[in-house]
Amino acid sequence: GQQLNQSPQSMFIQEGEDVSMNCTSSSIFNTWLWYKQEPGEGPVLLIALYKAGELTSNGRLTAQFGITRKDSFLNISASIPSDVGIYFCAGLEDSNYQLIWGAGTKLIIKP
Amino acid sequence: GAVVSQHPSRVICKSGTSVKIECRSLDFQATTMFWYRQFPKQSLMLMATSNEGSKATYEQGVEKDKFLINHASLTLSTLTVTSAHPEDSSFYICSARDQGYEQYFGPGTRLTVT
Repeated sequence: GQQLNQSPQSMFIQEGEDVSMNCTSSSIFNTWLWYKQEPGEGPVLLIALYKAGELTSNGRLTAQFGITRKDSFLNISASIPSDVGIYFCAGLEDSNYQLIWGAGTKLIIKP
Repeated sequence: GAVVSQHPSRVICKSGTSVKIECRSLDFQATTMFWYRQFPKQSLMLMATSNEGSKATYEQGVEKDKFLINHASLTLSTLTVTSAHPEDSSFYICSARDQGYEQYFGPGTRLTVT
C-alpha cells in the first residue's frame, strides 16, 4: 500500500546533539502528523500540522509542513536519553480518516 | 486526555486456537476504531476500520474470516484471530477516533502463536 518516504531509517547520536528527520510523499495531505513509539507501546502524537508552510513546536521538538503539502521535517534539539524511540510521520486521508505511515526513524542515543 | 486500553497486553496461544483482543476507549466515545498489526522494525499496517454497529472494512489482503472484528458499542471493539498460526504472531495495535481526526492509540497486544 501507499507509504510515505521517511529518512533516515535510523540515527545514532550523542546526548545533547540535535536531530533532524524528514518525510516526503507523492500525494498531498492536508494534515501531517508526527508520532513517537517506544518499545512495546502504541504511537503517541507529538505534533500535528495543518497549514502549508506551518512551523510548530512542542518543547524541544519542531516540525514544519512543506509548502507543497508533500513533505515535512521534524527536529529535536538537545537530545536526551528519553528521546530514544521510533519516530513516524503520517499523512491523514480526509475521506476516511486513515493514516498513511512512513517507515519510521529509529533514534538511538549513545551514552 | 483520551485514553485507549487494550487487553490482554501479551498472549501466547497454541496453533489452531482463537484469541480475542479487546480495545476500549475509556473516556470518550469512539466513532471509529482502527486495527493495525506491526512486525518488528516495521511501520504500522492497517488491517481494518470499524464503525460502531456496522461491519468492518478490511484492507486488501486481510482475511475477514480470519480476523473477526466486532464493534459492538461506542467504547469497545474486539479483534478475534481465529485458527491462529505462528505467522500470525505480531504486535496488534488499535486506535480510536472520536468526532475529530485524531486517532488515540492503545498500548498494543503482543501475540505469540506456538
